[in-house]
Amino acid sequence: NAGVTQTPKFQVLKTGQSMTLQCAQDMNHNSMYWYRQDPGMGLRLIYYSASEGTTDKGEVPNGYNVSRLNKREFSLRLESAAPSQTSVYFCASSEVWQHNEQFFGPGTRLTVL
Amino acid sequence: AQSVTQPDIHITVSEGASLELRCNYSYGATPYLFWYVQSPGQGLQLLLKYFSGDTLVQGIKGFEAEFKRSQSSFNLRKPSVHWSDAAEYFCAVGANQGGKLIFGQGTELSVKP
Repeated sequence: NAGVTQTPKFQVLKTGQSMTLQCAQDMNHNSMYWYRQDPGMGLRLIYYSASEGTTDKGEVPNGYNVSRLNKREFSLRLESAAPSQTSVYFCASSEVWQHNEQFFGPGTRLTVL
Repeated sequence: AQSVTQPDIHITVSEGASLELRCNYSYGATPYLFWYVQSPGQGLQLLLKYFSGDTLVQGIKGFEAEFKRSQSSFNLRKPSVHWSDAAEYFCAVGANQGGKLIFGQGTELSVKP
């Protein structure tokens, strides 16, 4: 099992460009999450999907959109990137919504110039 | 509102010395508590978790943590630190109805030879 995979690993964008971060899990988990990690701030939840077909905003959703493509895949889109979105992005999954134990991907390091 | 505080941003210990990383949480009901470790350039790995029952929980890599309700704390301990333990450690709290985790700011651990 690969667990949670993310692509790409690194990305550099110019202000105003768009991109989609991809996440997939092969653990048959129902819930998936997107976080951003910034120095001194821990991880902050951007969006989550409690189950296939549902998505909800987390703590810092502005400037992002998500799609739960199917049970395995949960993508994060930046429509018009801003320097404030320079961060490391982590995708995570959990077996069911009621189980908080989350499994994390390796992260995507994004720089917006 | 739920919150997690890790008072120590950075700790340095000598190899072989004992370690305690502090975590204080704010939550109205019985929380679900977690410790994750992040090695440089990697995703987060679960060290241990507390849901209920015995307040002293054992985790991987020789770590343990103790839940103290009266102090709203969930401190992480290891009796003898190894150089490979150098990493960033995150405490997190989750609601017992499931779903979202709130992370602390993280504590970076350095190990001196």
